[in-house]
Amino acid sequence: GENVEQHPSTLSVQEGDSAVIKCTYSDSASNYFPWYKQELGKRPQLIIDIRSNVGEKKDQRIAVTLNKTAKHFSLHITETQPEDSAVYFCAAINMDSNYQLIWGAGTKLIIKP
Amino acid sequence: GAVVSQHPSWVICKSGTSVKIECRSLDFQATTMFWYRQFPKQSLMLMATSNEGSKATYEQGVEKDKFLINHASLTLSTLTVTSAHPEDSSFYICSARGVGRADTQYFGPGTRLTVL
Repeated sequence: GENVEQHPSTLSVQEGDSAVIKCTYSDSASNYFPWYKQELGKRPQLIIDIRSNVGEKKDQRIAVTLNKTAKHFSLHITETQPEDSAVYFCAAINMDSNYQLIWGAGTKLIIKP
Repeated sequence: GAVVSQHPSWVICKSGTSVKIECRSLDFQATTMFWYRQFPKQSLMLMATSNEGSKATYEQGVEKDKFLINHASLTLSTLTVTSAHPEDSSFYICSARGVGRADTQYFGPGTRLTVL
């Protein structure tokens, strides 16, 4: 079945630097890729998403890129701030088949002051 | 934006008792709701998918007789953990997908279950 791999599991960056989290999916039919941010003990919050017909999407300091050929997508956070510290999950869905989110394992992002 | 509530937010129960968790979509109709379980420092594990008016679809390895799911209306789904044991202690999160929305899922705040 579909599998999503996420790297790294932990990422520590200096405040103000950029952070990049990468995900690889196995099902070439996946066509929607959301990213969620989860703070400790709270619900996952959708922060950005991208569809398979788009290569890049940006929202202020957050951007997502998609390489369909290589079947990987990445989250980019620029000018990191302490409030960016959280666990980030990528996910993939084939909306034409079923609507189950296939989750990555998560990346704990630590912003060092 | 769409709001999903979950109740209770935290419950402590004795081993052998049953616990019911409610998931409500407050300002939209949810044709499909998902129930997840999350262990500390791990990703969300999908337990089951419930569609309004039909039986839930359980993921492999999830005991349907132990985790009873009822999606009685377009705004409410319940998860009942029957005869709970300490190993059932976890963070349970629901998500809801709105009518006509094939992509976005809105998450409830989660329920922390502790079984003594």
